[in-house]
Amino acid sequence: GDSVTQMEGPVTLSEEAFLTINCTYTATGYPSLFWYVQYPGEGLQLLLKATKADDKGSNKGFEATYRKETTSFHLEKGSVQVSDSAVYFCALIRGREGAQKLVFGQGTRLTINP
Amino acid sequence: DAGITQSPRHKVTETGTPVTLRCHQTENHRYMYWYRQDPGHGLRLIHYSYGVKDTDKGEVSDGYSVSRSKTEDFLLTLESATSSQTSVYFCAISDPRQRDEQFFGPGTRLTVL
Repeated sequence: GDSVTQMEGPVTLSEEAFLTINCTYTATGYPSLFWYVQYPGEGLQLLLKATKADDKGSNKGFEATYRKETTSFHLEKGSVQVSDSAVYFCALIRGREGAQKLVFGQGTRLTINP
Repeated sequence: DAGITQSPRHKVTETGTPVTLRCHQTENHRYMYWYRQDPGHGLRLIHYSYGVKDTDKGEVSDGYSVSRSKTEDFLLTLESATSSQTSVYFCAISDPRQRDEQFFGPGTRLTVL
């Protein structure tokens, strides 16, 4: 079945460092791909998405490119801030009609130190 | 922010007791979902609804039931709670016009002793 694998956390970086969080997926066809972020004590928020191969999603300085050759959707940011500390989830959507079900990776906790 | 509330936000209960969690939305979205979040597993789908009185199972539905008697409310019931159901539960909603995007509630932290 469909699945998503993220790099193991936690990840700790200094402010202004470059961030990469790896995400690979297994799926039939070409599902839409997402990154969600969860700040402490809150629910998940959509950070960015890509709906087809070679699409690049971007938001708040974060980027991820849908790579069908490597079945990957790695999250990157050039210069992280303390406020980026959160848990990041990679996900794909499954189902064509009706309710579409998200399949999540296990999450990566990111801590940015000043 | 999407208008999604969950109640209660925190609950502690004992093994064997029934528990009902409520998700309420003000967006009039058709689809609603219940997920549980556990360390090392991300979020996993428990049940979902595609309309009033229309529900279906997700990947981890054993021990859970749901009901949706009106568009705005989606209830998750643990008939007889077990310690393995200690988790954080999230409700989400989506709309056919924005099918790819789901909006999440703030979560309910449930502890079963």
